[in-house]
Amino acid sequence: GAVVSQHPSRVICKSGTSVKIECRSLDFQATTMFWYRQFPKQSLMLMATSNEGSKATYEQGVEKDKFLINHASLTLSTLTVTSAHPEDSSFYICSARWQGISPLHFGNGTRLTVT
Amino acid sequence: GNSVTQMEGPVTLSEEAFLTINCTYTATGYPSLFWYVQYPGEGLQLLLKATKADDKGSNKGFEATYRKETTSFHLEKGSVQVSDSAVYFCALSDRRNTGNQFYFGTGTSLTVIP
Repeated sequence: GAVVSQHPSRVICKSGTSVKIECRSLDFQATTMFWYRQFPKQSLMLMATSNEGSKATYEQGVEKDKFLINHASLTLSTLTVTSAHPEDSSFYICSARWQGISPLHFGNGTRLTVT
Repeated sequence: GNSVTQMEGPVTLSEEAFLTINCTYTATGYPSLFWYVQYPGEGLQLLLKATKADDKGSNKGFEATYRKETTSFHLEKGSVQVSDSAVYFCALSDRRNTGNQFYFGTGTSLTVIP
């Protein structure tokens, strides 16, 4: 089946630094990639939708200058958390789909801890 | 609009018990329906899907039938195992009306005890 690789799986950073998370579709071209944030024991909160070669569409309440998303190719999207703060600590999950009504394929997530 | 309402957990069952996790949806168009499973510390994995009314999705002993008349997509398994312990998410996608967006339920945590 389709594989989405997300890296790193865990990262600890100091407050004020930036962290980049990569999401790669390994065996298909992802026309659309999504970034979610998941709080403990809660569902996924969609942060933004990105289509290859165009600007990401952010959900209401998500700061686009803080969560920078780049979808430079059909197999790679990155999320950069800029000037991270402890409240940004969370589980971030990317997902990708090929086209049409194909299912979402998820990465294994990144546990971000900001100290 | 589109939304998914999912049975709240947590659910605790003994091994070999019957499992039902309820899921109902609201959609303006013709959604596809999905169940995803999340094991501890991991991302979500597609468990099964159904793309039109009366379709039955099945995988690993789990089943769910797309019921348009009751707008439901309940997840069932006849005999659960300890390895089924995870969080289960019901989701819908209605590409015709909302582009590529997926809508997720809040998730139901299942713990199976030996």
